[in-house]
Amino acid sequence: GESVGLHLPTLSVQEGDNSIINCAYSNSASDYFIWYKQESGKGPQFIIDIRSNMDKRQGQRVTVLLNKTVKHLSLQIAATQPGDSAVYFCAETGGLTQGGSEKLVFGKGTKLTVNP
Amino acid sequence: DTAVSQTPKYLVTQMGNDKSIKCEQNLGHDTMYWYKQDSKKFLKIMFSYNNKELIINETVPNRFSPKSPDKAHLNLHINSLELGDSAVYFCASSQDRGIGGYTFGSGTRLTVV
Repeated sequence: GESVGLHLPTLSVQEGDNSIINCAYSNSASDYFIWYKQESGKGPQFIIDIRSNMDKRQGQRVTVLLNKTVKHLSLQIAATQPGDSAVYFCAETGGLTQGGSEKLVFGKGTKLTVNP
Repeated sequence: DTAVSQTPKYLVTQMGNDKSIKCEQNLGHDTMYWYKQDSKKFLKIMFSYNNKELIINETVPNRFSPKSPDKAHLNLHINSLELGDSAVYFCASSQDRGIGGYTFGSGTRLTVV
């Protein structure tokens, strides 16, 4: 079966530090990956995505790294701020490939706490 | 305007009752979804509709019945509610097979007592 998991359920960092959240996936057919942020009482919010033909993608303060060899995904947040405190999910899908599953499968989530 | 809106936000009901959760999206997306988030924050897909047609139906009890009157709406009806149905239910929508991500609603917290 397919599964997407996270190495660390919780992560606590100091404001201004860089944060790294890791994710392992097992479905080698997945070709598209997304990181979501979920704040308390809200729905998941899209942060950044990456296609399987890439190994790195950068956003404003976030970077996603993809290592297909070991089926590993990570989210790096630079200069972490208190507003970054949330639960972060990685998610995978095979939706880029015609005939592939477009079902978005979520990992278990990592709770990031940023201390002032 | 809220992109994906679901109502109600909170729902407390007794075991055995039947309840519905409504979802509407104004993004013009073709596909809508229902996800269930349990107490451990795990998000699991339940259903997916594309242009009113059911395309994903996970192993969900048949007490759960989605209905899509048009592509902007996907409602979830639950019969004979059980304690284990207590969770947060999220509606989401996407375009182009989900590329660009899903847009989620703010969730409906269902508590069965």
